[in-house]
Amino acid sequence: DQQVKQNSPSLSVQEGRISILNCDYTNSMFDYFLWYKKYPAEGPTFLISISSIKDKNEDGRFTVFLNKSAKHLSLHIVPSQPGDSAVYFCAAVYNNNDMRFGAGTRLTVKP
Amino acid sequence: KAGVTQTPRYLIKTRGQQVTLSCSPISGHRSVSWYQQTPGQGLQFLFEYFSETQRNKGNFPGRFSGRQFSNSRSEMNVSTLELGDSALYLCASSSLTSGGGADTQYFGPGTRLTVL
Repeated sequence: DQQVKQNSPSLSVQEGRISILNCDYTNSMFDYFLWYKKYPAEGPTFLISISSIKDKNEDGRFTVFLNKSAKHLSLHIVPSQPGDSAVYFCAAVYNNNDMRFGAGTRLTVKP
Repeated sequence: KAGVTQTPRYLIKTRGQQVTLSCSPISGHRSVSWYQQTPGQGLQFLFEYFSETQRNKGNFPGRFSGRQFSNSRSEMNVSTLELGDSALYLCASSSLTSGGGADTQYFGPGTRLTVL
């Protein structure tokens, strides 16, 4: 039972434009959400997080939006840069450390 | 501070064999989690250890097991390997303390296991 879903396996965006990565979840017990970025041959690295009591968190070019009623979160990257090309995983946490990941979305930013 | 290290980085085994993977967490981190990454399935949670005790477990068969030592280093073992076990196995450590809030995890580079 995949509780966290990233329905778009890939996304291609032009440099300078906005990248929007989406994530849906089914378990209303999730109370913390994170986005990770993964380059080939490396482990995922933490990017940005949001608590379920918020609906937006911003860090530089990265903003995460949470819509609890729709059980949906999204990551906005603006402006997108070629170095942002990677696989992005969203993750949802409950019970402090029980983390579930989506299948990932491969973002390609074209120069 | 050194990051999370995993050994070996690459491994090739045949069906029916067993394998042991090792993970050294960031110094001071007591929580170690293991994940399996396969194309299309993303990252799937295997189990989490904290202070030498398995605290959480995902939906994997009993062939997958793990342990944690007093220095927080962790090993995972897969017995009777199947072709479908071919994957990248990632270990993550966290400074999560007992009763603390959700914490970010720091991932190692992974061990690429190929089962022939």
